Formats: sequence, structure tokens, C-alpha cells
Amino acid sequence: QSVLTQPPSVSGAPGQRVTISCTGSSSNIGAGYDVHWYQQLPGTAPKLLMYGNSNRPSGVPDRFSGSKSGTSASLAITGLQAEDEADYYCQSYDSSLSGGVFGGGTKLTVL
Amino acid sequence: EVQLVESGGGLVQPGGSLRLSCAASGFTVSGNYMSWVRQAPGKGLELVSVIYSGATTYFADSVKGRFTISRDISKNTLSLQMNSLRGEDTAVYFCARGSGYPGPKGYYYYMDVWGKGTTVTVSS
Repeated sequence: QSVLTQPPSVSGAPGQRVTISCTGSSSNIGAGYDVHWYQQLPGTAPKLLMYGNSNRPSGVPDRFSGSKSGTSASLAITGLQAEDEADYYCQSYDSSLSGGVFGGGTKLTVL
Repeated sequence: EVQLVESGGGLVQPGGSLRLSCAASGFTVSGNYMSWVRQAPGKGLELVSVIYSGATTYFADSVKGRFTISRDISKNTLSLQMNSLRGEDTAVYFCARGSGYPGPKGYYYYMDVWGKGTTVTVSS
């Protein structure tokens, strides 16, 4: 069981908007630690998608956005495209564990 | 070009040892937060170990006392020595560089460069 909880799967049609939640607790997100997001395409290594809750690395389309509130964070994808079909992971720091933690991952299916 | 290339994976019997290496190019491992992240078959990501720029280390509870992390500055490589391997250590092991920034609670790190991974299979 992951310290950060994500829905196992989400889906949407091309062009639609989907959101992926990442729920933590008072020892990680709720304590003020930032959330980062990674995209893992099938059979490849993870790739940084968002850092510091809402900052996109260069090259990441502005269709991707992130936010954080309280003990949760969210990744939103607008204008869904077939190439967005992948697994998405949130990551933060947990003070109880004294280390970084990942969410369990969310599989995005583009219908 | 900034790049990480892992090597050293393979098939090992339970109780055995294996040493993974991660060769860095385009930056120096000595001045950076470096980590090992693993992914068991069909499962999510797990942070296994970290070595900070100041040599402080972190290990997940699942590997504490069995794994060690180190850097070879002359070869610009990161290593993970894995002893007393178990079936649950079977996974793809990724090497990743961390970038950090100051925040209210200290320095926050995210992994901005990843290798392609090397596969470790623990089985008799």
C-alpha cells in the first residue's frame, strides 16, 4: 500500500479533460512538501512531467497542469491525445519515513 | 548530452549478491542527489536508495541493512551493492538524478534525469 494514494485508472476521449488525484497525509503533502509528477509510457523509463506542484519542465505541453491543496494534489490533462496514454505517478517527501515516496500510479486510457 | 546508463542486472539466486552501476554523462554524480528507483513487474515505482551531494544516504526499510549506495568520482558512476537478495527484490532498477530547490521545509528534490533501467531477477 502506497503512502500516496492515486486512482488505479482514469480514462477519457480524445479532446477531453481528465484529472488524476494524489492524496497524502499530514506527514507528506499536508505537511507542506511539494508534489512532483512523472509520466511513464509503456515499456519506458519514467519522465518528469511536473515539479514543485505546478511547474512544467521545458518541452512538456501546457495541456498538463498541476495543483496542490491541503493533503492532496492533482494533475490535469486537457485536450487529451492518444499519445498521453501512459502511467502517471505522483511523488513527494514523507517526514515520518524521512524519504521520498511515490503514489501507486494511475493508468490513463485514451478511449 | 545529460544521460544515465545502468548496467549489472541479471539473474541471481535468493541470498546472492549483485552490484548495479549507473554511468553518468553530461554532469557529475558527485555534486548531485542521485537515487535508485525500482519497479517490480506490473507494479509501481519505489524509491530504494538516495545519496545526497553531501554523502548522506537514505534507504527504504525494505532494503535497509542489505543494500549500500556509493559514488565513484573518477568514473562518474553511481553504484548499488545488493546483498542477501530476495524474490521481492525482482524489479527493473532505474538510476535517477535529483534536482532540488529550497522550500519551507528544507530542500525539495525531484528526479529530472532517468536511465533506461536494468533488470534484476532473484530466483532459484
